[in-house]
This record gives sequence, C-alpha cells and structure tokens, in this order.
Amino acid sequence: DIVMTQSPDSLAVSLGERATINCKSSQSVLYSSNNKNYLAWYQQKPGQPPKVLIYWASTRESGVPDRFSGSGSATDFTLTISNLQAEDVAVYYCQQYYSAPYTFGQGTKLEIK
Amino acid sequence: EVQLVESGGGLVQPGGSLTLSCAASGFTVTSNYMSWVRQAPGKGLEWVSVLYSGGSTKYAGSVKGRFIISRDTSKNTLSLQMNSLRADDTAVYYCARQGNGDYPNWFDAWGQGTLVSVSS
Repeated sequence: DIVMTQSPDSLAVSLGERATINCKSSQSVLYSSNNKNYLAWYQQKPGQPPKVLIYWASTRESGVPDRFSGSGSATDFTLTISNLQAEDVAVYYCQQYYSAPYTFGQGTKLEIK
Repeated sequence: EVQLVESGGGLVQPGGSLTLSCAASGFTVTSNYMSWVRQAPGKGLEWVSVLYSGGSTKYAGSVKGRFIISRDTSKNTLSLQMNSLRADDTAVYYCARQGNGDYPNWFDAWGQGTLVSVSS
C-alpha cells in the first residue's frame, strides 16, 4: 500500500498570506508511460463532503480559485494557497490514485492566525 | 447535473449487517469507476472499496471479506453490503465517482454521506 504523509498536521496563517501544505508518498505516483502524477488535493469544510481542488498534482479543477496551486512530482508534492481568505479555513487532504488502495494523507487543518 | 445521494445508514449492533445505497443521477454508474470512502468521527478519510467499470472490485484490508460492493444497472445505484460490523466501522460513508477513463481517477463527485453507527 502507498502511504501518504502530510505535513504539518495543522497550521495557522494570517489573512492575505501564503499557506503551504506538503504531502509525501511512500513510493512514486508518477506513471512513466504518460508522465502524469496520480495525485489529487481535496478541501473539506465541516459537515461537508470533500471537494477536489487539484488533480494530476497541478491541474486546478474548474471553478477553483487560482490562489490554489499544486506542484511536485514522484513522491513529494505541495499545495500552496496564496492570499489566504477566510473561506479557505478547512482540512486539506492529498490522495493518490496510482493504485488501490487509493490512500489519503491524514489531513492538514488550516486556520486563520 | 451530477448527483450522488446515499441512504441506508443507521445504528446497528456489533456483528450485525447493513446495506448502504447510492443513487446516481446525471451519469451512468456502470460506465464509471465508483468507490466508497468513509470518515470516522473527527478523523480523516479512508478509502473502502472500488467497483471498476468492467465489474471487478477491490477492498481495503480493514473491510475485505466483510463488505461487498455492487451496482444495480436498472436503478443506476451503487451499494455496499456490510457484514460482521465492528465498532471501528462507525463512520460517515461517502459514495464517490472516479471517472470513466482507462484507469480510476481522482474523486470528482461525492455524495453528502450517510452515518453508520455500530454500538450495543
């Protein structure tokens, strides 16, 4: 099984500042035949299901503000939220869809400082 | 509009059984990869099971041999039959779509979830 590890577990960032969340996979999720990273990022607000923000490690889902960006390859990935807004308070998860079981990171709780 | 609506959750005693359903609209379940994902109270997300568009299935180790994923073509629904339930199966269970390409993708659509509580 591919283990996904996020850091930090929680962070507090001031409004308008940048938040950075890291995700590390125990093995590469880069599929060599198409050069794509099978890595997605989700946002979950209390009482709601998760919502996909980023897929293929860096492709923003339609309708997601461009202050959300994803980067990284193989085993190390980053979600960056620029110009933090109050509505960005949530728990963020990375997830690999390279192979079953389709594992998630443990989550990172983002709060306003 | 793509929509997923789960039902069937509730309180069940340890060792009991429960079947969850997920009604899909706006797309065809049989043409997509469909999964169940659960979230224990105050905890993170845990993938449970997938039903590939070709009909094969996979399960998380924690539920293998106890849960069965299936679909009903006529009703366009996904189901999860849960047997030998344990207290650590207590969670909100989400139905989620994983696309319809050559391989399962990210979870691009989610239901609102149904709560399963296992307790005596």
